[in-house]
Amino acid sequence: NAGVTQTPKFQVLKTGQSMTLQCAQDMNHEYMSWYRQDPGMGLRLIHYSVGAGITDQGEVPNGYNVSRSTTEDFPLRLLSAAPSQTSVYFCASSYDGGKAEAFFGQGTRLTVV
Amino acid sequence: DQQVKQNSPSLSVQEGRISILNCDYTNSMFDYFLWYKKYPAEGPTFLISISSIKDKNEDGRFTVFLNKSAKHLSLHIVPSQPGDSAVYFCAASAPSNTGKLIFGQGTTLQVKP
Repeated sequence: NAGVTQTPKFQVLKTGQSMTLQCAQDMNHEYMSWYRQDPGMGLRLIHYSVGAGITDQGEVPNGYNVSRSTTEDFPLRLLSAAPSQTSVYFCASSYDGGKAEAFFGQGTRLTVV
Repeated sequence: DQQVKQNSPSLSVQEGRISILNCDYTNSMFDYFLWYKKYPAEGPTFLISISSIKDKNEDGRFTVFLNKSAKHLSLHIVPSQPGDSAVYFCAASAPSNTGKLIFGQGTTLQVKP
């Protein structure tokens, strides 16, 4: 049972480059989210989805794009990487939007130089 | 505007004693609260939750207390063990049933043998 799988685990980008962080879950969860973790800031919501074809912005969406073409996958795209996007990114999924625990992936550590 | 706050960045306790981690929130519409535990280089894992209609929930060594009038919740760990050393995040579920979680900044707990 893989749960939530994120790839890659580590990535170094140059300013201005684009890339996609992958997230896949095998639990048939409708709800998926992307968070970033920065020192002293906790986890902040970037984008979320309540089902295939439906996405919306979280607290810090600028510079990121998402799509949800299948229940299983929820990729996060960095359009033009900036040093401010250096962070650890976590993908999460849950089966209930309000009352269920969210399962997190192991994270992607991204450095933008 | 930080809707969920953990004002203590760190806490150190002796093995066998009680650990008390605190969390405050500002939005009275939050109706579900969760605690997550995070080890270095891993994703957060669910620990315990509580509905806003309850004031206490217990699971083994972990108990969460909710004081709605004070908009305050706390996590008690009794007895504390060295393996409990981790970062603990308090989170509130947004009332829109979208799977969105609003996290506090986290408290690093160190349990000394």
